[in-house]
Amino acid sequence: EPEVTQTPSHQVTQMGQEVILRCVPISNHLYFYWYRQILGQKVEFLVSFYNNEISEKSEIFDDQFSVERPDGSNFTLKIRSTKLEDSAMYFCASRDLDEKLFFGSGTQLSVL
Amino acid sequence: AQKITQTQPGMFVQEKEAVTLDCTYDTSDQSYGLFWYKQPSSGEMIFLIYQGSYDEQNATEGRYSLNFQKARKSANLVISASQLGDSAMYFCAMREPHLGASGSARQLTFGSGTQLTVLP
Repeated sequence: EPEVTQTPSHQVTQMGQEVILRCVPISNHLYFYWYRQILGQKVEFLVSFYNNEISEKSEIFDDQFSVERPDGSNFTLKIRSTKLEDSAMYFCASRDLDEKLFFGSGTQLSVL
Repeated sequence: AQKITQTQPGMFVQEKEAVTLDCTYDTSDQSYGLFWYKQPSSGEMIFLIYQGSYDEQNATEGRYSLNFQKARKSANLVISASQLGDSAMYFCAMREPHLGASGSARQLTFGSGTQLTVLP
């Protein structure tokens, strides 16, 4: 069964460093998303991406964040200068024209 | 205001019994979708079931069924014949239409989750 793949599963970084989280969505899907979940809290929407551009973004998705789909298969989330409060599980998700949204297994980001 | 409310932070159920996890939602839209996801301790988010607001029948997927009561704005998840592997956090989520650069992108809003423990 096709699935959303995320790498790495864990990322440890120093505050102020740039990180890139990578995702390979399900191949025929059209809509792509990043969500995050701070430990013990709700899953929060960050950004949606469609037709090679950002469709919507939340207040969390400030100028430190960017997304890219560089080659038609990968979908990346970049955090330019990480802060302690960026520590969270980051989930990539994708969907086709129907409503079912499928998530990857997440990248646990720890900012020290 | 909370859009998705899950009032049960924790639930226990005996193996092989059925359990209902509650979810209520708040929306003024006529078109919306309701989802349930399972998050085991390993952290991944596993899609379980989807119900569209215009679907007349309750959704079912194997041992999972969604008790959709539109007038009450509730979308409870029923797990039949619980198994030890069902122990996990369960999240209810809603998709509403959002108008933006591409109005069909439709992100989900999640509830706070219910931690289900299945007892042997």
